[in-house]
Amino acid sequence: AQSVTQPDIHITVSEGASLELRCNYSYGATPYLFWYVQSPGQGLQLLLKYFSGDTLVQGIKGFEAEFKRSQSSFNLRKPSVHWSDAAEYFCAVGARTGNTPLVFGKGTRLSVIA
Amino acid sequence: DGGITQSPKYLFRKEGQNVTLSCEQNLNHDAMYWYRQDPGQGLRLIYYSQIVNDFQKGDIAEGYSVSREKKESFPLTVTSAQKNPTAFYLCASSEGQGGPETQYFGPGTRLLVL
Repeated sequence: AQSVTQPDIHITVSEGASLELRCNYSYGATPYLFWYVQSPGQGLQLLLKYFSGDTLVQGIKGFEAEFKRSQSSFNLRKPSVHWSDAAEYFCAVGARTGNTPLVFGKGTRLSVIA
Repeated sequence: DGGITQSPKYLFRKEGQNVTLSCEQNLNHDAMYWYRQDPGQGLRLIYYSQIVNDFQKGDIAEGYSVSREKKESFPLTVTSAQKNPTAFYLCASSEGQGGPETQYFGPGTRLLVL
């Protein structure tokens, strides 16, 4: 079975600074990988996804993520954070076999300071 | 607009009472899911359904029940057997055709116990 670890529970960055949120997965084959964002009291919105091909994936709101098979990682990055990026971010992994639900990490809460 | 609706936004439950959370989608998706979200716990899968009239238990199904009589609807009942129901509940759907599956989320229902 697949699993996801997001090592950082809470990260604080200054507005305009760069951001990297970490995600490590466990899965026996190449997985499907996702990043979602959640504002307080809201549902989850898809930021980006990796299915195959180019390991650097571009998403919405200026985010990107890189799949690194050797490190079992799918870290999310943004070169310059805006105050509106403050939210909770979830990494998720999906299996390539069958039609099974995604498995989510516990999330990283991002705070942005002036 | 295509999407997932959840109602109500807030729901209050008295001790010993069963309550039902609504989830409707007009995306023509075959698969639907229910997650429970608690602070610091991420998303935990309660039930999922890959096709009408069929559903499977997730990781924390005890104290919950579901039905899938129509493709577009997947209501969740929180029974009196669920001793700690206070949480944020998220419904999601995906195409359900196998292969890469992006899950799309509704806005959520917050359940509180009186």
